[in-house]
Amino acid sequence: ILNVEQSPQSLHVQEGDSTNFTCSFPSSNFYALHWYRWETAKSPEALFVMTLNGDEKKKGRISATLNTKEGYSYLYIKGSQPEDSATYLCAFMESGGSNYKLTFGKGTLLTVNP
Amino acid sequence: NAGVTQTPKFQVLKTGQSMTLQCAQDMNHNSMYWYRQDPGMGLRLIYYSASEGTTDKGEVPNGYNVSRLNKREFSLRLESAAPSQTSVYFCASTIFGAEKLFFGSGTQLSVL
Repeated sequence: ILNVEQSPQSLHVQEGDSTNFTCSFPSSNFYALHWYRWETAKSPEALFVMTLNGDEKKKGRISATLNTKEGYSYLYIKGSQPEDSATYLCAFMESGGSNYKLTFGKGTLLTVNP
Repeated sequence: NAGVTQTPKFQVLKTGQSMTLQCAQDMNHNSMYWYRQDPGMGLRLIYYSASEGTTDKGEVPNGYNVSRLNKREFSLRLESAAPSQTSVYFCASTIFGAEKLFFGSGTQLSVL
């Protein structure tokens, strides 16, 4: 079983604060790292798919970086808004063969207070 | 756009009953997945199908069987439901490989 760790487990911030969370994954046999946003009572939606060491992705106020050599990725939210409140999941895809299996971390629950 | 459609949305079973969760996607995706979500455990992979005609076990396959009926459909069967299978089940699909997953809306299953 692959170990994909996310920290912190939960986070409370005030509207306007910037924040970041971490995803740690195995540094060997890397193929891809995904980030998903999961709002309560909805389904997870993809934010980013990152495949290259040093990748940086941005979508509005949300950005992510990737370090495959040391096995971590950061997700940043600039100027948090109440609508950013959600669980943020990362998922690791291991290379090898033609079967692409995605292993999820347990997520970081972000609450943004107005 | 339907995307990934799961049925049913809710189900209550008695211990020992069987049922099949249905999943269909209309995006011509090659790979399909079944996950379960439990409090504090995140999403755990039950089974996946990398392409039509293939299925493989994930992290928690015991007590489940799957069928990749065709490219569109991937069903999950509980042959003899147990209370430990009370969970929210999500089906997902992707075009191939490392591409992003598209999720269905989930099935909330309770086994009494």
